[in-house]
Amino acid sequence: GEDVEQSLFLSVREGDSSVINCTYTDSSSTYLYWYKQEPGAGLQLLTYIFSNMDMKQDQRLTVLLNKKDKHLSLRIADTQTGDSAIYFCAEAARRRRAGTALIFGKGTTLSVSS
Amino acid sequence: DGGITQSPKYLFRKEGQNVTLSCEQNLNHDAMYWYRQDPGQGLRLIYYSQIVNDFQKGDIAEGYSVSREKKESFPLTVTSAQKNPTAFYLCASSPGGRSNQPQHFGDGTRLSIL
Repeated sequence: GEDVEQSLFLSVREGDSSVINCTYTDSSSTYLYWYKQEPGAGLQLLTYIFSNMDMKQDQRLTVLLNKKDKHLSLRIADTQTGDSAIYFCAEAARRRRAGTALIFGKGTTLSVSS
Repeated sequence: DGGITQSPKYLFRKEGQNVTLSCEQNLNHDAMYWYRQDPGQGLRLIYYSQIVNDFQKGDIAEGYSVSREKKESFPLTVTSAQKNPTAFYLCASSPGGRSNQPQHFGDGTRLSIL
């Protein structure tokens, strides 16, 4: 089946690192994504990783992929109050016809206190 | 600037009324998608379209209809058959085809019942 799971809440102090975890089920997924949603807004693409990679780093963001365990994590270094938002993990899941649609987790609400 | 425009930002529906949510993109993307987001939930796929004049049902298509007469436009109609339409609706687009290029999102439309 298709299912993406994330923990629902994470609370950190400003300046600490945040680690948001995600598990997925579709072993044929080729790309995995992290999106950020601020209140009342749409989703902003943060980063994505191809399934043949173990790690991807982009400034303060580090994505780790354990394909054997189907586990994905997003690490935010030096977390700021502006990082407070909901973070969604998503996998590209093949549909019956050509093309892909994304399967989303329920989102992790990150709360950063100063 | 290229992007996805959703309108209106807020929409109210009366009992028995059909309402249409607009989604326009100038990214020259082939694929477009509609998602529904409920509080504390991830995004659920309503309909998607890989190419002009073609569209497919997603996971929760009942009570919704779409059209794709132009590449840049993918309007969603919430019909009176949708008994629980109150939600945040997000439109997305991607280059499409068999690529797994990320989806880009609009800012959403919040639909409520009067």
